Amino acid sequence: DAKTTQPPSMDCAEGRAANLPCNHSTISGNEYVYWYRQIHSQGPQYIIHGLKNNETNEMASLIITEDRKSSTLILPHATLRDTAVYYCIVRVAGSQGNLIFGKGTKLSVKP
Amino acid sequence: ETGVTQTPRHLVMGMTNKKSLKCEQHLGHNAMYWYKQSAKKPLELMFVYNFKEQTENNSVPSRFSPECPNSSHLFLHLHTLQPEDSALYLCASSPLGGAGLGGETQYFGPGTRLLVL
Repeated sequence: DAKTTQPPSMDCAEGRAANLPCNHSTISGNEYVYWYRQIHSQGPQYIIHGLKNNETNEMASLIITEDRKSSTLILPHATLRDTAVYYCIVRVAGSQGNLIFGKGTKLSVKP
Repeated sequence: ETGVTQTPRHLVMGMTNKKSLKCEQHLGHNAMYWYKQSAKKPLELMFVYNFKEQTENNSVPSRFSPECPNSSHLFLHLHTLQPEDSALYLCASSPLGGAGLGGETQYFGPGTRLLVL
């Protein structure tokens, strides 16, 4: 799986949009971009994934650049409960291998 | 609520004890996983089961013994553990070949926090 790079930490004001970037410049054509988050001492939570088109669900939006070398996860209205470590992962379609979470971005949502 | 439940949520055991962790998924998935997450370390995949059959064992010591009686339930039997086995044990499930999912999205349970004394 290709490597990803994320900023170690970000702050966001409650109610504002949180935009979390991820670089994956070595991504290959059959690799998807996945986002998970992990709130302290809880299991990782799946957020969203995509291949090349932008995706939106009830939790977030995923914007993937046209060259697919980077992406941004958008939480449109961050709440205090969104404080967590967010992980961007690149995986081959159908892979069942180990999820390599890396160090992620620690998002702190402040009142 | 992800549709994957784990019990117990917390467990303290001595090195001579035998205990079991239970995982149940209500998502209709056909693949289940055990992961270990130690403090300050990344996730470590331990076992993978597809349609109740073990397909992956990542060199896990024999003091960890998995069991998958059906596609919805997964157990991890523990015996003669060591203090360094203290960690968060996570169960996950994925569809296995689900159409339109573009991959095997894994959904995690809340984990069992294990302390070995």
